[in-house]
Amino acid sequence: GDSVTQMEGPVTLSEEAFLTINCTYTATGYPSLFWYVQYPGEGLQLLLKATKADDKGSNKGFEATYRKETTSFHLEKGSVQVSDSAVYFCALNSNAGNMLTFGGGTRLMVKP
Amino acid sequence: EAQVTQNPRYLITVTGKKLTVTCSQNMNHEYMSWYRQDPGLGLRQIYYSMNVEVTDKGDVPEGYKVSRKEKRNFPLILESPSPNQTSLYFCASSFSPDFYGYTFGSGTRLTVV
Repeated sequence: GDSVTQMEGPVTLSEEAFLTINCTYTATGYPSLFWYVQYPGEGLQLLLKATKADDKGSNKGFEATYRKETTSFHLEKGSVQVSDSAVYFCALNSNAGNMLTFGGGTRLMVKP
Repeated sequence: EAQVTQNPRYLITVTGKKLTVTCSQNMNHEYMSWYRQDPGLGLRQIYYSMNVEVTDKGDVPEGYKVSRKEKRNFPLILESPSPNQTSLYFCASSFSPDFYGYTFGSGTRLTVV
């Protein structure tokens, strides 16, 4: 079955540091890939997405590139802010189905 | 404002007492889904619906029921809640999950004692 593996957190960074959160996946066919962010006490918000190989999703300074050869979709940001502190989830949708399969989430803490 | 609205936000109940968590979306989405979020397990799909009167099981459907009588509403029903259903529940909707992903509600934290 489909699965998503994320690096375990928490990830603790200082403000303006470079961020990478690793995500790899196993899926049939050519899945769509997503990153969601969950701020404390809130629901999940779509951060970015990529629907085919080599696509780069980007939003709010975050980027991720769909790498089919390595089955990866790593999240990056060049300079994090305290306000980026949240839990980040990588997810996939395969075979145009109804379900998003989520990774376990990675908590990011950014210190001033 | 386009949104998915869940109620209640917090609920404490006793084992065996039937409850319903409501979910409504105002975006005319065809797809709706329920997820539960548990520490260390991420989010797991309970049930989903492709349209009115069309529902199907997700990964963890045991102990839950759903109905889709109208396009905008997708209630989650726990007929006889048990402590292992203590969790954070999210309703979500989409035009097309494979392209747009899902839009999530703010969540319902359920505690069954």
